[in-house]
Amino acid sequence: AQKITQTQPGMFVQEKEAVTLDCTYDTSDPSYGLFWYKQPSSGEMIFLIYQGSYDQQNATEGRYSLNFQKARKSANLVISASQLGDSAMYFCAMREGHIKDKIIFGKGTRLHILP
Amino acid sequence: DVKVTQSSRYLVKRTGEKVFLECVQDMDHENMFWYRQDPGLGLRLIYFSYDVKMKEKGDIPEGYSVSREKKERFSLILESASTNQTSMYLCASSFADDFGNEQFFGPGTRLTVL
Repeated sequence: AQKITQTQPGMFVQEKEAVTLDCTYDTSDPSYGLFWYKQPSSGEMIFLIYQGSYDQQNATEGRYSLNFQKARKSANLVISASQLGDSAMYFCAMREGHIKDKIIFGKGTRLHILP
Repeated sequence: DVKVTQSSRYLVKRTGEKVFLECVQDMDHENMFWYRQDPGLGLRLIYFSYDVKMKEKGDIPEGYSVSREKKERFSLILESASTNQTSMYLCASSFADDFGNEQFFGPGTRLTVL
């Protein structure tokens, strides 16, 4: 079974609109961490945001926020006021407590921002 | 600034050649990782290392080996390159022991095996 599921292979969004990228995860470990990375066409992976399983508040970093719904095992990335530079591949990832040094990545969502 | 560098951005090799991909990080990270990235498959872990001379297999280690003789350097070796190893290879590093430690990635090496 997949540990990280990103159900949207591709998305097209109008500039300035908010974007939600879906991510669901599967773990029985009570301790885990969730990450989002951005990969522009240049290829480098850029860390965006992190949410710990025990964090009470949803994580936010500038225009990025993580909508963490623990009971649903959902960790959606929300980008507010999208910009052309947000066009990229986005990966959701998880680190589980019992194998805490490894991160498992989803297959990614390609986001296209339209002018 | 954390920096992870990889020896080549693009590499073209012939089937059967031995291929070395080098990765160096300058932040004294304990952990280092090698992934391959293929369209529609995301990032798949090949090997990782949590200390010098220590290594663990990831999800797809077949056809690959690694070497970590110094803390800052992690090498991926394709003993006999094959066409199905044509891919983007990404190296990453991180501190250990904390869930919140993100991985820092190098720019990637796009390997083509002819």
